Amino acid sequence: GAVVSQHPSRVICKSGTSVKIECRSLDFQATTMFWYRQFPKKSLMLMATSNEGSKATYEQGVEKDKFLINHASLTLSTLTVTSAHPEDSSFYICSARVGTGAYEQYFGPGTRLTVT
Amino acid sequence: GESVGLHLPTLSVQEGDNSIINCAYSNSASDYFIWYKQESGKGPQFIIDIRSNMDKRQGQRVTVLLNKTVKHLSLQIAATQPGDSAVYFCAENSGGSNYKLTFGKGTLLTVNP
Repeated sequence: GAVVSQHPSRVICKSGTSVKIECRSLDFQATTMFWYRQFPKKSLMLMATSNEGSKATYEQGVEKDKFLINHASLTLSTLTVTSAHPEDSSFYICSARVGTGAYEQYFGPGTRLTVT
Repeated sequence: GESVGLHLPTLSVQEGDNSIINCAYSNSASDYFIWYKQESGKGPQFIIDIRSNMDKRQGQRVTVLLNKTVKHLSLQIAATQPGDSAVYFCAENSGGSNYKLTFGKGTLLTVNP
């Protein structure tokens, strides 16, 4: 149980275009989903917290107009990188919190974004 | 042994040996801690967790120890196998209604056959 999927696993896009990444909880309903960014050989950096049906809460320094997050249902959250630039190239990972009162987060497999 | 520097801390062990991975956390108010394993190119995988009202918890081949006095967390892996080679992260929950986790820097574990 507690499986989280991401799509796509890899994407290459041209500078100036937008890319959407999907995060789905496959066998449970996720009250909260989180989006992280990870650079090579570095730790996970939380970008934003996404609660179903409400606006995402962004961490300090993360541009909300650059990284659009939509949490339309209890099983789906999307991250759209708008007007992507090469410096946006990174590994993006989502996670989902299992339920009310639960601390543990289950992670998706990640999406490798390369902006050329 | 374990080395800490500008690069990701590393720990190299022989297959069959026990591994101990350490983590210093930052917030004395944190009440929940998790260890994750991340293989190259994949998302983190849950290993074991512990709440602040405990000082030890055991799982299958893994044990987590929590020392709140010095804000230290460790992960012990018994009879380490090549498949255990990965980066290990500790994470802490510092409270708040959003249940956010703050991740440590990670330790690269390499198991030599």
